[in-house]
Amino acid sequence: EVQLVESGGGLVQPGGSLKLSCAASGFTFSGSAMHWVRQASGKGLEWVGRIRSKANSYATAYAASVKGRFTISRDDSKNTAYLQMNSLKTEDTAVYYCTRPNWGGFDYWGQGTLVTVSS
Amino acid sequence: DIQMTQSPSSLSASVGDRVTITCQASQDISNYLNWYQQKPGKAPKLLIYDASNLETGVPSRFSGSGSGTDFTFTISSLQPEDIATYYCQQYDNLLQGMYTFGQGTKLEIK
Repeated sequence: EVQLVESGGGLVQPGGSLKLSCAASGFTFSGSAMHWVRQASGKGLEWVGRIRSKANSYATAYAASVKGRFTISRDDSKNTAYLQMNSLKTEDTAVYYCTRPNWGGFDYWGQGTLVTVSS
Repeated sequence: DIQMTQSPSSLSASVGDRVTITCQASQDISNYLNWYQQKPGKAPKLLIYDASNLETGVPSRFSGSGSGTDFTFTISSLQPEDIATYYCQQYDNLLQGMYTFGQGTKLEIK
């Protein structure tokens, strides 16, 4: 059974940093790209970014709203993807999901972890 | 960047009604378009991938069509359990692998 479990969310001050983790199981993690999607309370879904597999050079891409502040990485030995968030702004407050792509669609999602940016 | 315009933003319909949601891309995205259902407090669920393919286990009353810039999502006979918010999502597979979601359509029972 495929499982994605996010952790690391919490309260952080504006300008601060936070690192989220996404622990994966039930599939060949090393062969899969991994994505992060966020959702502010009462708002729609926003794609944050992705990291491709080793075979695709661990290539990353980011939404314009987070580019230069957020970094996605992975540790295939631990079946874990990460989202390093720096220079956080109040508008980054959201539930952050990790998700797995399958032929373009995201077929499995984690339960989400809440990040609150507030002073 | 490719923009997605989804409409309507909300919709009220009766059980048994046919429901249609549209999504328009700002440029040609071929069939790189997916549809999701999200219920309150839950992660989104993939319903349709590549514009018209039904994800495994999804009831056949859900369908999708379109290509290029104009796409349609249909529920043929609305059921009470279909109350949710629906999102389209494009993926820019040919270029940088960027993804964009539509604004969402909140579906309610009349």
